[in-house]
Amino acid sequence: GNSVTQMEGPVTLSEEAFLTINCTYTATGYPSLFWYVQYPGEGLQLLLKATKADDKGSNKGFEATYRKETTSFHLEKGSVQVSDSAVYFCALSPDNYGQNFVFGPGTRLSVLP
Amino acid sequence: EAGVTQFPSHSVIEKGQTVTLRCDPISGHDNLYWYRRVMGKEIKFLLHFVKESKQDESGMPNNRFLAERTGGTYSTLKVQPAELEDSGVYFCASSQVAGKSTDTQYFGPGTRLTVL
Repeated sequence: GNSVTQMEGPVTLSEEAFLTINCTYTATGYPSLFWYVQYPGEGLQLLLKATKADDKGSNKGFEATYRKETTSFHLEKGSVQVSDSAVYFCALSPDNYGQNFVFGPGTRLSVLP
Repeated sequence: EAGVTQFPSHSVIEKGQTVTLRCDPISGHDNLYWYRRVMGKEIKFLLHFVKESKQDESGMPNNRFLAERTGGTYSTLKVQPAELEDSGVYFCASSQVAGKSTDTQYFGPGTRLTVL
């Protein structure tokens, strides 16, 4: 079946620190991969996505590369800000019709000034 | 353009009562999904509508949950009778194009349900 594993945190960093949130997946077929972010009091927002191997998704200084050989999609940012404090969810969309997302458990990030 | 909206934002009910959650998708989106996150665990798929038809309801936990999407616009999710383990955040999402695994799903803010 399809599943997503990610570090659960919480992760606490100082402003301008480097961020990595690991995400690995198992899937039948060739899924698309996503990172969603939930800021306090808000809904899930798409942060970035990648649809095929070696694709790099990027947005707001965040990056993640679709690594088929290691079945990973790790999220990185070179210099975090206090405003990046949120819960980050890794997700996959199977390549079969129906596109029902499978989410990881979420990683809470707190960035301190 | 308005995003996905959900109502209410919070609901607190007692065990055995009934609650109805509503989701208004982005206008023109045929696909509508319900998910829930229980006890801070992963977000789990409940069901998928294409217009007014249930495409996949394999994630519905039991027959206490009933989802409808009459007319193919907004959707409701009714829990009757509610149990303690139903507490969590219920998310709705919509997407435009059916059958494309790369199509982005846009999420609402969620409804936080607490069953006492």
